[in-house]
Amino acid sequence: GESVGLHLPTLSVQEGDNSIINCAYSNSASDYFIWYKQESGKGPQFIIDIRSNMDKRQGQRVTVLLNKTVKHLSLQIAATQPGDSAVYFCAENIYSNTGNQFYFGTGTSLTVIP
Amino acid sequence: DTEVTQTPKHLVMGMTNKKSLKCEQHMGHRAMYWYKQKAKKPPELMFVYSYEKLSINESVPSRFSPECPNSSLLNLHLHALQPEDSALYLCASSPGQGRGQYFGPGTRLTVT
Repeated sequence: GESVGLHLPTLSVQEGDNSIINCAYSNSASDYFIWYKQESGKGPQFIIDIRSNMDKRQGQRVTVLLNKTVKHLSLQIAATQPGDSAVYFCAENIYSNTGNQFYFGTGTSLTVIP
Repeated sequence: DTEVTQTPKHLVMGMTNKKSLKCEQHMGHRAMYWYKQKAKKPPELMFVYSYEKLSINESVPSRFSPECPNSSLLNLHLHALQPEDSALYLCASSPGQGRGQYFGPGTRLTVT
């Protein structure tokens, strides 16, 4: 698989503060990226995605930024809530004639302090 | 129906057993995936099916045998597993390139 790494394995934030989770990827052929949230005992939940022809995309309380020059992706969560506590993964999509592959980064565990 | 379902939720099996994991989606997605996830690690891609044909096998041992009977179902047949195969097995589906990937809740497998 390809290397998709995260800068910080754990992150603690105060409730109401903004959170930023970072991700580095290595394959310049990756053309699509997804952020997932995974709570304990559950499967990864799709949060937001971004295509390589964009540098920013906003959702409800979340924003993803993509910097292709340095192969860096970030997830910003506004007004972090206790329910946001989970592990967050970025995943890169590599499409080839053999199929549509997704490779995950190492994950960041986010803890929100009430 | 906008979800991926997996059965069973939990499975305990001995090293000589044969069992199967099942995955189902009715979203019309033509790509389906099996992942293995160990505790505190990211999901690792095992197999990719595209239009019901196996398109990617990430060098998975033959004791794991995938099967895609139709466009909505994906099975993972297990035989002669080892204790180190204990993990959360996740199924996912995708409508196509650049259009997301959606996961089921997983099967927690324990090999004794």
